[in-house]
Amino acid sequence: EAGVVQSPRYKIIEKKQPVAFWCNPISGHNTLYWYLQNLGQGPELLIRYENEEAVDDSQLPKDRFSAERLKGVDSTLKIQPAELGDSAVYLCASSFGLRTEAFFGQGTRLTVV
Amino acid sequence: DQQVKQNSPSLSVQEGRISILNCDYTNSMFDYFLWYKKYPAEGPTFLISISSIKDKNEDGRFTVFLNKSAKHLSLHIVPSQPGDSAVYFCAASARGSQGNLIFGKGTKLSVKP
Repeated sequence: EAGVVQSPRYKIIEKKQPVAFWCNPISGHNTLYWYLQNLGQGPELLIRYENEEAVDDSQLPKDRFSAERLKGVDSTLKIQPAELGDSAVYLCASSFGLRTEAFFGQGTRLTVV
Repeated sequence: DQQVKQNSPSLSVQEGRISILNCDYTNSMFDYFLWYKKYPAEGPTFLISISSIKDKNEDGRFTVFLNKSAKHLSLHIVPSQPGDSAVYFCAASARGSQGNLIFGKGTKLSVKP
């Protein structure tokens, strides 16, 4: 069974440019998460979806970040415009509902220069 | 305010000996706890979990202990192997509609041959 797939693996952009990340969760997983991980820190939740509904986006900086989950499967996370402080690893995870183990993708390492 | 704390940034252990990784939490609503392992340039991988109705859960070489009164959990790896060298994250989830995974900052384990 395929795991959580994220693309791209690495992205380097100039500040003020837009960037988008894509995630394909494990088949059948209705819960999808986007996490942000800074160097030396644990993952921090940005947004959680239950099917196509964003049920917790309280930590998403909505002035520049947006996300969508079309048809309750794939998801994209967008930053526009990117700032230097957005350099981090963006992790996508999925699970069979809430409060079960989440499975993570390999992440997208974003560098903003 | 950190709700999940891993106070040891690193731990070094000899191959064959026991590794003990510790985690403390502050939120009394947490009732589901997980450990993840992370290798460089990969996403976190689920290792083992425990519900608050238990005080111990074992899976092969990995055992998680939960002390609810002390708000403390630990992961024991016996015997430790060089391939266990990775960053270990403790995560917790609370009851109720939120239930998002809250991660600690991680402990880097080095197992020396």
